[in-house]
Amino acid sequence: AQSVTQLDSQVPVFEEAPVELRCNYSSSVSVYLFWYVQYPNQGLQLLLKYLSGSTLVKGINGFEAEFNKSQTSFHLRKPSVHISDTAEYFCAVSDLTSGTYKYIFGTGTRLKVLA
Amino acid sequence: GAVVSQHPSRVICKSGTSVKIECRSLDFQATTMFWYRQFPKQSLMLMATSNEGSKATYEQGVEKDKFLINHASLTLSTLTVTSAHPEDSSFYICSAKGTASSYEQYFGPGTRLTVT
Repeated sequence: AQSVTQLDSQVPVFEEAPVELRCNYSSSVSVYLFWYVQYPNQGLQLLLKYLSGSTLVKGINGFEAEFNKSQTSFHLRKPSVHISDTAEYFCAVSDLTSGTYKYIFGTGTRLKVLA
Repeated sequence: GAVVSQHPSRVICKSGTSVKIECRSLDFQATTMFWYRQFPKQSLMLMATSNEGSKATYEQGVEKDKFLINHASLTLSTLTVTSAHPEDSSFYICSAKGTASSYEQYFGPGTRLTVT
């Protein structure tokens, strides 16, 4: 079964510094990949998604991610973070071969931007 | 576009009572809706998949008689927590997907359930 690993549970970073949040998934079968952000007591907001095409995906708020099929990774990056980026970030995978349209979520990474 | 709402946003109920949470797709027809549960500082766990006009498919370990799901129309799914207990207290999030072939889910803002 598909699984998603977000190795870093917490990532502290200073404001205006770059950040990378890591996401690896277990199976190299056809997948769609997503990154979501969640602010306290709120639902999920889509940052970006990879469905097909270019492996470098640009999203909202200056975030981007790169799909690496050989390493089964989809790491999220931002070149310069702001205090307002402090939130929980979730990586999600949808296995196209399952036919269920389900998302499997990673355990999340709490990004804390320090002044 | 692709807005999903949930009602209520917060609910407090007494142990033993039932509570209903609504999930609506406001500007599209949702063939499938998903219900997730999120414990504090944890990830989202899929509870069930709900298809319009048919019975929901529950994930392993989720009690279907306790968490009743109804997807009566293409814009509304409801989750009823029956005989709620304090351990049912959680953040419940729904999502909806549009066309049958689409993989993208649109998430609601969540409902915070507290059982006293």
